[in-house]
Amino acid sequence: DGGITQSPKYLFRKEGQNVTLSCEQNLNHDAMYWYRQDPGQGLRLIYYSQIVNDFQKGDIAEGYSVSREKKESFPLTVTSAQKNPTAFYLCASSPTGGGTDTQYFGPGTRLTVL
Amino acid sequence: LAKTTQPISMDSYEGQEVNITCSHNNIATNDYITWYQQFPSQGPRFIIQGYKTKVTNEVASLFIPADRKSSTLSLPRVSLSDTAVYYCLVGNYNTNAGKSTFGDGTTLTVKP
Repeated sequence: DGGITQSPKYLFRKEGQNVTLSCEQNLNHDAMYWYRQDPGQGLRLIYYSQIVNDFQKGDIAEGYSVSREKKESFPLTVTSAQKNPTAFYLCASSPTGGGTDTQYFGPGTRLTVL
Repeated sequence: LAKTTQPISMDSYEGQEVNITCSHNNIATNDYITWYQQFPSQGPRFIIQGYKTKVTNEVASLFIPADRKSSTLSLPRVSLSDTAVYYCLVGNYNTNAGKSTFGDGTTLTVKP
């Protein structure tokens, strides 16, 4: 059954801690993305990757880091440098990364900083 | 890439046709228009994509006038389950999908 999985669904973090959100896809897509969504707002792009071992900053990359060591995996680390990390995080993938690609989204991870 | 503008919210009633318009005045020759739907606490999902005139699938229709400076997503006979946020994106083959922004979308509320 093809798709994108994100784990965990809910995550709680203490201030000052780094935390890593998992994203895995078995769609054989080249491109993967991380978005942040705050209540009542749209999606903002954090990072994206079009190919293994390469990734680009999105609009709000400060305080976040990513890696793309495998085609199917694109983990996101929320560092202590991110001042307001409480949000809904969405991972997506698309076949090639082109501007007309359909993006397929995972179920999301809701991060709460205590 | 062209900036898109959508109404913040719309209300409708079950059984009505709903039209959501997106403005993209600076659309480029190679740009396509894509619409997504997002339910609360879920990721967006693709609805429809088009370049010009009219595109129809089992879920919606997309109308794009000749000047392509706007587009209209049409949802026939909506039901309560169509209550969601709808996003309009503009992008082309020569740019990265990461350059197409989702914006705040249009929140559609369908009432009984």
